[in-house]
Amino acid sequence: AQSVSQHNHHVILSEAASLELGCNYSYGGTVNLFWYVQYPGQHLQLLLKYFSGDPLVKGIKGFEAEFIKSKFSFNLRKPSVQWSDTAEYFCAVNGGYNKLIFGAGTRLAVHP
Amino acid sequence: DAGVTQSPTHLIKTRGQQVTLRCSPKSGHDTVSWYQQALGQGPQFIFQYYEEEERQRGNFPDRFSGHQFPNYSSELNVNALLLGDSALYLCASSLGPAAFFGPGTRLTVL
Repeated sequence: AQSVSQHNHHVILSEAASLELGCNYSYGGTVNLFWYVQYPGQHLQLLLKYFSGDPLVKGIKGFEAEFIKSKFSFNLRKPSVQWSDTAEYFCAVNGGYNKLIFGAGTRLAVHP
Repeated sequence: DAGVTQSPTHLIKTRGQQVTLRCSPKSGHDTVSWYQQALGQGPQFIFQYYEEEERQRGNFPDRFSGHQFPNYSSELNVNALLLGDSALYLCASSLGPAAFFGPGTRLTVL
């Protein structure tokens, strides 16, 4: 069955700490992978996407993610987080015809 | 360029009632998908419309139905509401693989 697993449900960091959020997927077709972010009171926004090519993709606001096919993973990283990165982060895989399968989300709190 | 818009923002209904939610896609997008996001969970795919036809459907009962109009806007209808239908309902539009989401409609069923 198609699924996405996010390992951490809640993460608390201090400003300037490094961030890595885990994401593993289960899908047998051609993989399109996404990270979405939902800031408090705002709607889901696309952070970055992987379709093909370079497995290290860069997104907005200094985020990047690495696709490791052998591990079925697409982890999100940021070298130095800011208070404004406080949000909920969702990993998703395209399950065919642009149907998105989401993980349960990781709630990130960054303390100044 | 307006993004994806949804109406209403909030809605309160009682069990057994019916509800209609509306979505206007981002300009130029021809595909509309609906998702249900329960509290503390990721969005769950309900169904997708393309060329006014339901192209894909998730694991939701027939009480959930939809429609897409010639201008690509869409409606989600839920009949015989249950308490468990309380959630944020998200509309997403797309032209290719990346989907753009609206702000959602918060449905509360009492």
